[in-house]
Amino acid sequence: DAGITQSPRHKVTETGTPVTLRCHQTENHRYMYWYRQDPGHGLRLIHYSYGVKDTDKGEVSDGYSVSRSKTEDFLLTLESATSSQTSVYFCAISRLGLAGVDEQFFGPGTRLTVL
Amino acid sequence: QQQVKQSPQSLIVQKGGISIINCAYENTAFDYFPWYQQFPGKGPALLIAIRPDVSEKKEGRFTISFNKSAKQFSLHIMDSQPGDSATYFCAASSAGKSTFGDGTTLTVKP
Repeated sequence: DAGITQSPRHKVTETGTPVTLRCHQTENHRYMYWYRQDPGHGLRLIHYSYGVKDTDKGEVSDGYSVSRSKTEDFLLTLESATSSQTSVYFCAISRLGLAGVDEQFFGPGTRLTVL
Repeated sequence: QQQVKQSPQSLIVQKGGISIINCAYENTAFDYFPWYQQFPGKGPALLIAIRPDVSEKKEGRFTISFNKSAKQFSLHIMDSQPGDSATYFCAASSAGKSTFGDGTTLTVKP
């Protein structure tokens, strides 16, 4: 499982409240990613990080911010949650595989419901 | 613009049959094409992957066929088993970033 944990695993919150999701890895991987998964949309990249304090936007970054102050933790923040952000959020890491390319491995996910 | 199109959306196969899932991509910069398997309540797990310099890769009952000129690739599951029932995602990657298809829900009937 590439040593990835996510917390919380489930959260219910109200519209307009801030929410922070945490991804923690134990294997010192440089690249980390946040995706959201919605029915019919597969996995869509929100933000990613290529090192401590180095982050960049993905295809659905509006309404989300991230921070990475140390290698093992990648935080995803919804500054003011909206119902459209109800989703399952997956964290992933990337590591060099046997084929010589970077392979992504996913955490167990966080189910977020915004009422 | 959807860069990776996956079909079918759902698939029902009898035990022992062959499951085939297709994907097409737009961006010729993609250099790595993985498939993921996801069970309910779990994160996606890397199943098998191929690089564009290879036309086919086989691992056990799972085979990827890759057609670079057509910008298409497919997953074949031979001798499908009820335990293969899951959602399958194709992806196309470049520079460490992946674009995913929308997924195919496979049901293998005993």
